Amino acid sequence: ETGVTQTPRHLVMGMTNKKSLKCEQHLGHNAMYWYKQSAKKPLELMFVYSLEERVENNSVPSRFSPECPNSSHLFLHLHTLQPEDSALYLCASSQAYRGINTGELFFGEGSRLTVL
Amino acid sequence: TQLLEQSPQFLSIQEGENLTVYCNSSSVFSSLQWYRQEPGEGPVLLVTVVTGGEVKKLKRLTFQFGDARKDSSLHITAAQPGDTGLYLCAGVSGGYQKVTFGIGTKLQVIP
Repeated sequence: ETGVTQTPRHLVMGMTNKKSLKCEQHLGHNAMYWYKQSAKKPLELMFVYSLEERVENNSVPSRFSPECPNSSHLFLHLHTLQPEDSALYLCASSQAYRGINTGELFFGEGSRLTVL
Repeated sequence: TQLLEQSPQFLSIQEGENLTVYCNSSSVFSSLQWYRQEPGEGPVLLVTVVTGGEVKKLKRLTFQFGDARKDSSLHITAAQPGDTGLYLCAGVSGGYQKVTFGIGTKLQVIP
């Protein structure tokens, strides 16, 4: 496996379900991100982890809960979602040198989420 | 809030034509990136421009960063069907190098 891999690629869930999205990066990077991509909107940054510590949380509803157990893995736990949460969820990683992040992101293929 | 405006949002052209897409902002960025996203895939980084006025070439793609580091353009020469995709510009700023994305330009190159 190379790059950034996300599973599942597609997920359909009801509003009362609990599910998780998984991301794994094989690039040796030390920062990982969750982005949300909706139609006709720019990519929205949800969470940033640097060295397994959450450094940014962009006012994301609590029904989204991130988890970063180590620098290679990132999860997004989903609970009691709304239909408007249907979107493509993208994981990305990057490398920070001495605290300065180059900003160059390496994305996974995304998890297409549909909430019924 | 930093906003990046991309234009046009949609572009459909014939194979062999040239095109330019634009990315504009009122904010200054430390660097600017261009990504291409194909259907069903995540965005892939094409280039990063850092210096005001910088021009970078990637085969038939030419990227330019504005002198004031607020805007950028992407010019494609002799477009091919393989160039089809969503082109995203992204501005990098802040101590943590926060990345702000534009809404994208959806390009279709017809054979």
